[in-house]
Amino acid sequence: LAKTTQPISMDSYEGQEVNITCSHNNIATNDYITWYQQFPSQGPRFIIQGYKTKVTNEVASLFIPADRKSSTLSLPRVSLSDTAVYYCLVAEGSGNTGKLIFGQGTTLQVKP
Amino acid sequence: GAVVSQHPSWVICKSGTSVKIECRSLDFQATTMFWYRQFPKQSLMLMATSNEGSKATYEQGVEKDKFLINHASLTLSTLTVTSAHPEDSSFYICSAWGSRGAGITEAFFGQGTRLTVV
Repeated sequence: LAKTTQPISMDSYEGQEVNITCSHNNIATNDYITWYQQFPSQGPRFIIQGYKTKVTNEVASLFIPADRKSSTLSLPRVSLSDTAVYYCLVAEGSGNTGKLIFGQGTTLQVKP
Repeated sequence: GAVVSQHPSWVICKSGTSVKIECRSLDFQATTMFWYRQFPKQSLMLMATSNEGSKATYEQGVEKDKFLINHASLTLSTLTVTSAHPEDSSFYICSAWGSRGAGITEAFFGQGTRLTVV
């Protein structure tokens, strides 16, 4: 079973900030939280990874509260090309090299 | 950065034949690779964990005799769909853990293989 729960879908408009929240109530001490993006007929692509607090890179920010039972992916000023499925995952197994079990993901639709 | 490459990107085969899909880690070694299957509008479903030099570990409900996995080297894992049937038509994706530097370890995914069985 997937260790994460996300909203199935979200709609947004170009230029808006999008926040997708993921629940992972049973996250283990060694688990990292990683978000992936998938376009149709392509493999998932890494977006961002974090363990606690806040992580920011050139495409997104990841907010993780102290209890680590949830996380929020923040996409600033989305564009039409950000329309995709977003998956929140926690690694299963020791360290950060265990198998990844995908949940249903969040389908983000960005409208003009 | 680390790259995982799959071949072929798509394949069409006749029912009853076998199809082999290759997954290569291009610039890093992967002792473990993972194989997923994805049906339209659904999430990725883990099929098996491929271990270099040993037998693969299959998820519950996945037929090991139908989906043969071989991981003979640190850079290559293969998935063979034997006696394929139309219901095996799906998008198959492999992945392997690698490092992108800065202390981040991530799962790199291949581009996927679209299998259509007619």
